[in-house]
Amino acid sequence: EIVLTQSPGTLSLSPGERATLSCRASQSVSTSYLAWYQQKPGQAPRLLIYGASSRATGIPDRFSGSGSGTDFTLTISRLEPGDFAVYYCQQYGGSPTLTFGQGTRVEIK
Amino acid sequence: QVPLQESGPGLVKPSETLSLTCTVSGGSVSSGSYYWSWIRQPPGKELEWIGYVFYTESTHYNPSLTSRVTISIDTSKSQFSLRLTSVTAADTAVYYCARLRLRGLPSGYFDYWGQGTPVTVSS
Repeated sequence: EIVLTQSPGTLSLSPGERATLSCRASQSVSTSYLAWYQQKPGQAPRLLIYGASSRATGIPDRFSGSGSGTDFTLTISRLEPGDFAVYYCQQYGGSPTLTFGQGTRVEIK
Repeated sequence: QVPLQESGPGLVKPSETLSLTCTVSGGSVSSGSYYWSWIRQPPGKELEWIGYVFYTESTHYNPSLTSRVTISIDTSKSQFSLRLTSVTAADTAVYYCARLRLRGLPSGYFDYWGQGTPVTVSS
């Protein structure tokens, strides 16, 4: 099973600042199979990024994904009030492996 | 939009069977590009993939749950269902149904989710 480790656990930033979230895999993950989600309290996760760097429909361009192999990054260029949430990375490693990271909380400083 | 909606009991007794159904409206579960999945999230914890089903009734489960899980699909009703047997308090979670894109590249991601339904295992 591929384990995804996200860091930091919590990121304390102010609106307008840049957020850089890391997702490290225990084995190489194809970029085609790496996704990022945003989850707000009491809500279902929302797809942000798929294929490591493609934005989902309706996702603003301040969200970007990058990386390959075992290291992936989600960057939020300028935090807006609605961006403070928990972010999860997720990989699909071939049947039946599908795992999520433990999440990074982005909170208001 | 492909709204998904979970339904089922919010309280299950220990050792009994948890049963949930996801109804898909605005789209067909018979699409060859998508698989239909269950994911859960214990209180304050991360997401855990449970398993998924294709319209052909082919299934794949999380190895940690495979002995207790069954996911089935009813294409005539645009529904798919989860059964989890011998539940314990550790199965207390919010259960989500979601659409999983697994055909073409890139893929392997959940693009639509239900709102989630909380299930508590307690006597």
